Amino acid sequence: RKEVEQDPGPFNVPEGATVAFNCTYSNSASQSFFWYRQDCRKEPKLLMSVYSSGNEDGRFTAQLNRASQYISLLIRDSKLSDSATYLCVVNRGDDKIIFGKGTRLHILP
Amino acid sequence: SAVISQKPSRDICQRGTSLTIQCQVDSQVTMMFWYRQQPGQSLTLIATANQGSEATYESGFVIDKFPISRPNLTFSTLTVSNMSPEDSSIYLCSVHGTSGGARTGELFFGEGSRLTVL
Repeated sequence: RKEVEQDPGPFNVPEGATVAFNCTYSNSASQSFFWYRQDCRKEPKLLMSVYSSGNEDGRFTAQLNRASQYISLLIRDSKLSDSATYLCVVNRGDDKIIFGKGTRLHILP
Repeated sequence: SAVISQKPSRDICQRGTSLTIQCQVDSQVTMMFWYRQQPGQSLTLIATANQGSEATYESGFVIDKFPISRPNLTFSTLTVSNMSPEDSSIYLCSVHGTSGGARTGELFFGEGSRLTVL
């Protein structure tokens, strides 16, 4: 089993729709969690951290369920500029940061 | 934030040759990380480069294939040795973000070095 698993993509979603990504992790000792965004032929950049209480940043909401070892990202009112690959990232706590394979999102006009 | 410069940004190499990738950070950092991202795949950690000690390699990666130098707290190199087409990939240098001396958990990346081996 991979340490970090994400929904297979690509997601093709009409502009304005809501889209949700899911991610599971296998190491229960993992300490911190993130969603990164990677545009085509670019380096990954942090989108948002994920906190146990859940957190929101504009149209983006991240949730963490430690009991189920599950992380989610919700994007509301999607824009064309949201098209990218979204990477679920887990810090195992031993200075090892593990990246999921990523989910590609295409927002359709 | 950290600003990371990598070079070369891309290169096309012949099988059997070696290429050294350079990574320069705009601040002093204890650890620098080298990742590989193969086509259509996510990032895989190759090794952690520590200043003043040997690099720590992840399972599946060895020093003979990927020698790393870390001469000071702002610079590191990764060499891809005896290249084969399977080494065609993007190689990314990365550092932890810090705030007030503490890690934020965020990783900052260089723009990557896109390597094509013929």
